[in-house]
Amino acid sequence: RKEVEQDPGPFNVPEGATVAFNCTYSNSASQSFFWYRQDCRKEPKLLMSVYSSGNEDGRFTAQLNRASQYISLLIRDSKLSDSATYLCVVNVGNTGKLIFGQGTTLQVKP
Amino acid sequence: GAGVSQSPRYKVAKRGQDVALRCDPISGHVSLFWYQQALGQGPEFLTYFQNEAQLDKSGLPSDRFFAERPEGSVSTLKIQRTQQEDSAVYLCASSLWTGDYEQYFGPGTRLTVT
Repeated sequence: RKEVEQDPGPFNVPEGATVAFNCTYSNSASQSFFWYRQDCRKEPKLLMSVYSSGNEDGRFTAQLNRASQYISLLIRDSKLSDSATYLCVVNVGNTGKLIFGQGTTLQVKP
Repeated sequence: GAGVSQSPRYKVAKRGQDVALRCDPISGHVSLFWYQQALGQGPEFLTYFQNEAQLDKSGLPSDRFFAERPEGSVSTLKIQRTQQEDSAVYLCASSLWTGDYEQYFGPGTRLTVT
């Protein structure tokens, strides 16, 4: 079983739609949680950190449920430019070593 | 400012050849990470440096993989006797310090072993 699991999709949604991605992690010692975005043939870039209290950045909302070891990302009012792969990421230790999920592919259509 | 750079961007090697992949981190960044990303998968951790010290190499898939960062800045990932299963994108990332600091990724080196 992978340490971080995501539904690979693809998710095909129309512009303006709301879409949610989920992720589960297996290591209860995981300390930090992130969503990264990766465009086709590009490097991953940090989208946002995820906190237990939930956090929002514009159209993006991230939630963490430590009891269920579950992380979510909600994208409201999808734009064409949101088309990418979204990687769920955890940091288990204190070195910064990141454990990535497989990624969920989002395609926003006009 | 300059981000993380990697070279070469693309490398084609015949099975059995040795390759060396270079990473130039952001100046002043203490931590440096190497990840391997196979097609359709998320990146997988290979190894980690804090300055010149290699503190974690638990992700290196075999003893054919070797990484160094002798002066605490530029790092090289070497793969000896390449195999087809080594074909992947090799990503380097650096962060200001250790722990929970944002990692900045380079564009990666796409290695194809034929």
